[in-house]
Amino acid sequence: GQNIDQPTEMTATEGAIVQINCTYQTSGFNGLFWYQQHAGEAPTFLSYNVLDGLEEKGRFSSFLSRSKGYSYLLLKELQMKDSASYLCAVRSYNTDKLIFGTGTRLQVFP
Amino acid sequence: DVKVTQSSRYLVKRTGEKVFLECVQDMDHENMFWYRQDPGLGLRLIYFSYDVKMKEKGDIPEGYSVSREKKERFSLILESASTNQTSMYLCASQRSLPGGQETQYFGPGTRLLVL
Repeated sequence: GQNIDQPTEMTATEGAIVQINCTYQTSGFNGLFWYQQHAGEAPTFLSYNVLDGLEEKGRFSSFLSRSKGYSYLLLKELQMKDSASYLCAVRSYNTDKLIFGTGTRLQVFP
Repeated sequence: DVKVTQSSRYLVKRTGEKVFLECVQDMDHENMFWYRQDPGLGLRLIYFSYDVKMKEKGDIPEGYSVSREKKERFSLILESASTNQTSMYLCASQRSLPGGQETQYFGPGTRLLVL
């Protein structure tokens, strides 16, 4: 079967660093996406990993370990506007479909 | 910039009504998707289309149908709306390329309430 797990909620302080974890079990693996979704808005693309290792994009980084079925999204120098839900999604072989986790709601406090 | 638009942001319908949700993308993408998003359940795929007139069932197709007569437009149809179809409906589009690294681009969503 296919399963993606993320923590439901996290809190952090402005200026801090937060790591949002995602573990997955899928029949075949062909990439992992992270999306950001502000309340009442559409998800927007943050990052894509298909090979093991760290991908850095400004304040956001994403890590993948295929052997462990594990990824994390690292947010540095947190800002109030980073308060949002973060969705982990996995693509299997030979399909363009994504399986989404339930999302992690991050609240950033001053 | 990719633009995905949905016909309504908010919709209120009565049980038993036929409901049409429209989605249009302007980037000539091959793939289009319909999801529903519910608290605690995340995004779940209803239907997927990879070409005009082509469709594939997602994880929760029961009670829904779709239509893709033109490449830019993908419609979701609730044949007879029920209260358990009250949800946020999100449309997405994606370019189909070898390698699978293309992201999906989402529309703003339609919040449907069925009374």
